[in-house]
Amino acid sequence: EPEVTQTPSHQVTQMGQEVILRCVPISNHLYFYWYRQILGQKVEFLVSFYNNEISEKSEIFDDQFSVERPDGSNFTLKIRSTKLEDSAMYFCASRGGQTDTQYFGPGTRLTVL
Amino acid sequence: AQSVAQPEDQVNVAEGNPLTVKCTYSVSGNPYLFWYVQYPNRGLQFLLKYITGDNLVKGSYGFEAEFNKSQTSFHLKKPSALVSDSALYFCAVRDGASGTYKYIFGTGTRLKVLA
Repeated sequence: EPEVTQTPSHQVTQMGQEVILRCVPISNHLYFYWYRQILGQKVEFLVSFYNNEISEKSEIFDDQFSVERPDGSNFTLKIRSTKLEDSAMYFCASRGGQTDTQYFGPGTRLTVL
Repeated sequence: AQSVAQPEDQVNVAEGNPLTVKCTYSVSGNPYLFWYVQYPNRGLQFLLKYITGDNLVKGSYGFEAEFNKSQTSFHLKKPSALVSDSALYFCAVRDGASGTYKYIFGTGTRLKVLA
C-alpha cells in the first residue's frame, strides 16, 4: 500500500539555523499539506500546496517558513532561522484529487536547542 | 469558525469491553468528519470518515463511528477493545470555509485498554 514518507525522523538543530524537512507524498496525489504538533498539543495546520503554489497558509506560517516541490516526488518544508518554539512534530500529508481523505507521514520530530 | 472538541483527555477501558471516544463538532454547512489514530512514534493513521449517507460508519481495525446531526457528535466506537488499541485518537473536521480541504483537529484522546 502506498504511503507518505518523511525524512529525517528526528532533527536536532541550534536556534537560528536553517532546517529542511522532507516528504515524499503518495505518487499520484495532487494536494500536499504540512501540519505540526507541539508536544502535548493538538495538530495544527501550517500550509497547503497545489499546482506548485501555496493555496492556503495559517498565521503560524510566517516569512521564516517556505515550501517547495523541487521535483516530481519531494515536498519540502524549510524553516530559515529556527526558534525554540519551532520544536514540534511536523507531519506531511497528501490527498488525491477525488477524495477528502489526507494520508499522513510518520512525522519529523524537530528539536531546537 | 469550524471546530471539533474531544472532551476527554483520556479514556480507560478494560480489554473486551466496548469503548467510546467522544467528539463533537461545530461547522457551517455539511460536516466532513474524520478519525485518525496515532501510535507512539508513528504518524496519523486514517481510521474512518463521514461525508454523507449512513450515520454509522465502519472503518479500519473494527472501529466504527456514529454521526448524530442533532447532537453534532461523531463518537468513535468499538464493540470489544483490545490492548493493542491503546493509542492517541484524533477527531478532525474538514474546514468547509477553506477551499483547500485542510483539517481542523481536536485535542486528542488517549485511549488506554487495560488487560
